[in-house]
Amino acid sequence: AQTVTQSQPEMSVQEAETVTLSCTYDTSESDYYLFWYKQPPSRQMILVIRQEAYKQQNATENRFSVNFQKAAKSFSLKISDSQLGDAAMYFCAYRSGNRDDKIIFGKGTRLHILP
Amino acid sequence: DGGITQSPKYLFRKEGQNVTLSCEQNLNHDAMYWYRQDPGQGLRLIYYSQIVNDFQKGDIAEGYSVSREKKESFPLTVTSAQKNPTAFYLCASSLGDSSNQPQHFGDGTRLSIL
Repeated sequence: AQTVTQSQPEMSVQEAETVTLSCTYDTSESDYYLFWYKQPPSRQMILVIRQEAYKQQNATENRFSVNFQKAAKSFSLKISDSQLGDAAMYFCAYRSGNRDDKIIFGKGTRLHILP
Repeated sequence: DGGITQSPKYLFRKEGQNVTLSCEQNLNHDAMYWYRQDPGQGLRLIYYSQIVNDFQKGDIAEGYSVSREKKESFPLTVTSAQKNPTAFYLCASSLGDSSNQPQHFGDGTRLSIL
């Protein structure tokens, strides 16, 4: 069975600095998709970025980018120029490329932004 | 605007009582999901449905039931058999046909025991 591990329960970063959140996963599949979701204090889950496993190029969305290392099964999220609004729980998620629609979530990393 | 609506925002359950959480979406998504979120546990899948009139158990289905009579609706019933129902419940939906499609989430329902 696939698993997703986020080894950092909490992290802090100074405003305007860069921070990297770690995520590793375990799978025997070659076709899959990876996501990072953000959950601010309002508790709404918001998609931050996604990556297709067949793409070698790392996904980027404005200040958010990923470092996807397929062989190492690693999918870290980098947040540049951190802003106070980035404070939230961040969840890494895995979805198989087959017809199984389940998404597997990690336990999350709580990110604090220090002014 | 299209989206997912969960109601109520807060819900209280008495001992031995069944309660139903509502989830409605107008995104024309085929697949819908229910998750339970506890502190430090992340999201755990309760039930999911890929098509109308069909649903599958997730990782923690015991004490819960669902129905999918309409594409837009996927209500979750927390039965009296669920002995520890206090949690935050999130409903989600996705297109379902392609695995690269993300899930869209509602704003959640917080369930507490009286």
